[in-house]
Amino acid sequence: SQKIEQNSEALNIQEGKTATLTCNYTNYSPAYLQWYRQDPGRGPVFLLLIRENEKEKRKERLKVTFDTTLKQSLFHITASQPADSATYLCALDMDSNYQLIWGAGTKLIIKP
Amino acid sequence: DGGITQSPKYLFRKEGQNVTLSCEQNLNHDAMYWYRQDPGQGLRLIYYSQIVNDFQKGDIAEGYSVSREKKESFPLTVTSAQKNPTAFYLCASSEPGGAYEQYFGPGTRLTVT
Repeated sequence: SQKIEQNSEALNIQEGKTATLTCNYTNYSPAYLQWYRQDPGRGPVFLLLIRENEKEKRKERLKVTFDTTLKQSLFHITASQPADSATYLCALDMDSNYQLIWGAGTKLIIKP
Repeated sequence: DGGITQSPKYLFRKEGQNVTLSCEQNLNHDAMYWYRQDPGQGLRLIYYSQIVNDFQKGDIAEGYSVSREKKESFPLTVTSAQKNPTAFYLCASSEPGGAYEQYFGPGTRLTVT
């Protein structure tokens, strides 16, 4: 079955540094990969979408890479700020229908 | 403002009672979804609907039911048959297909005792 792995342990980063989160997947070849931010007790908020034929996507301080050979996506936040502290989720499309498969998320903590 | 609303934010029920969670969107999206989120797990799809009067089971549909009588509304009923209903429930909508972002509501935290 399809499986998505994100670091289950919280990632602690010093303010101003670059935070890098990982999303690995197996047994599937998604056409799209999405990243979301989720704050405690709230719904996820969409950040970026990257297509299988795109290597990299940027939006302000955010950058996403997609390596279909390694079956991995990396999510970078540059010049990190305490306000970036949240849980970040990756999701892959199922292609054949409307479903997304979700990772469990990585909790990011930016220390001032 | 466009968006998705879910109500109530917190819901408490006794075991054996059915309960209905509300989800309304004014984004004019055809597709709507219900997810369940438990600690340490990814979002799991309960039901989804691509169009009015049509819906499909997701991975964990047992013990749940939905309706889609209007484009804007996709209520979820948690029945007494759901063995472990205490969870955080999220409703989302999107344009159809995996190429589109999903917009989420604020969620409903259901506690059954």
